[in-house]
Amino acid sequence: DAGITQSPRHKVTETGTPVTLRCHQTENHRYMYWYRQDPGHGLRLIHYSYGVKDTDKGEVSDGYSVSRSKTEDFLLTLESATSSQTSVYFCATSGIRSGNTIYFGEGSWLTVV
Amino acid sequence: QQQVKQSPQSLIVQKGGISIINCAYENTAFDYFPWYQQFPGKGPALLIAIRPDVSEKKEGRFTISFNKSAKQFSLHIMDSQPGDSATYFCAADGGTSYGKLTFGQGTILTVHP
Repeated sequence: DAGITQSPRHKVTETGTPVTLRCHQTENHRYMYWYRQDPGHGLRLIHYSYGVKDTDKGEVSDGYSVSRSKTEDFLLTLESATSSQTSVYFCATSGIRSGNTIYFGEGSWLTVV
Repeated sequence: QQQVKQSPQSLIVQKGGISIINCAYENTAFDYFPWYQQFPGKGPALLIAIRPDVSEKKEGRFTISFNKSAKQFSLHIMDSQPGDSATYFCAADGGTSYGKLTFGQGTILTVHP
């Protein structure tokens, strides 16, 4: 357990509205990730961060932006939510002490109607 | 681009039986192959992992078999129990993708009592 807290855990929003998901970690891990999970696709990387203010795109980054102003917080923003962004979003972290092990939060269920 | 292919999508096993899940990868730079276990409503959790310098790794009832030449690896669950019922994901990491897991599509395992 890497002390990862995601908020909100559940959210229903309307198409076209902005949404921000927050990930907070207490392990001082350097790396943080946002994945989305969809049936038949497993988990796909949206964005990741390798340090404060250092972020990069993952496999499915279109329509998403991220920010990391502190080591412990990684925010995922959907600028204008679409129905295709209805998904379960997982934050994950890893660090030097964890080796390759990536630890996941418990997920945020987002429904865009 | 799906770089890790997982099968089967679902698997039903009787208690005490052997569960086998297979994965194949394309990127020869991958050098870390973890399996994650996910229960409903929870985030994925690392179950067992292997590096390509060994052909097999065993932890309790869980074994990873790795075939580098075929670019395939598999998870074997011996003496399967109802508590093993979960979704299992294989993943791969390494090379230029270091620190960013590429996941298979997932296998829903159901173990009947």
